[in-house]
Amino acid sequence: AQSVTQPDIHITVSEGASLELRCNYSYGATPYLFWYVQSPGQGLQLLLKYFSGDTLVQGIKGFEAEFKRSQSSFNLRKPSVHWSDAAEYFCAAPNYGGSQGNLIFGKGTKLSVKP
Amino acid sequence: IAGITQAPTSQILAAGRRMTLRCTQDMRHNAMYWYRQDLGLGLRLIHYSNTAGTTGKGEVPDGYSVSRANTDDFPLTLASAVPSQTSVYFCASSSLAAGELFFGEGSRLTVL
Repeated sequence: AQSVTQPDIHITVSEGASLELRCNYSYGATPYLFWYVQSPGQGLQLLLKYFSGDTLVQGIKGFEAEFKRSQSSFNLRKPSVHWSDAAEYFCAAPNYGGSQGNLIFGKGTKLSVKP
Repeated sequence: IAGITQAPTSQILAAGRRMTLRCTQDMRHNAMYWYRQDLGLGLRLIHYSNTAGTTGKGEVPDGYSVSRANTDDFPLTLASAVPSQTSVYFCASSSLAAGELFFGEGSRLTVL
């Protein structure tokens, strides 16, 4: 069955430090892949998406993600974290197997930023 | 500003009462979805609609119903609310079946 896994439930980094949030997927073929961010009390906002082509994808707010087929991963990175990046981050991929045509989400990684 | 509007933002409801959460989009997207978000469980799909006039069940449909009379509106109804339906509900839409989702700001529902 298709799945999206985010191994880290909660990560704390210092402001200015680099960040990497992990995402692994389990699919038969190369899926489309997405990263969303959710600030407290808000809906989910798309950070970036991978459909095909260049495996390094640039997104909003200085984030990037790299698709690695050999590792079935789509990790999100940012070179220097800002306090405003504190939020919950969700990796997602399409639900190809069902008739639903929606996204399967990972359980999310909550990011805390220390001053 | 184009997007998805959900109402109400927040609601406290007595168990056994009927409640409808409203969702309207102005992006002319074909597909619309309702998710609930619970701590530790992430986002779970309740119901979806790939086009006006059709609906389908998601992962956790019991106790909920939806309708899709037109492209823009996708209300979610709890016929008889129970405390386990306390959650934050998100409406979303997409133009393609496997494309990115656009989310509303959420409706926080508490059932007592």
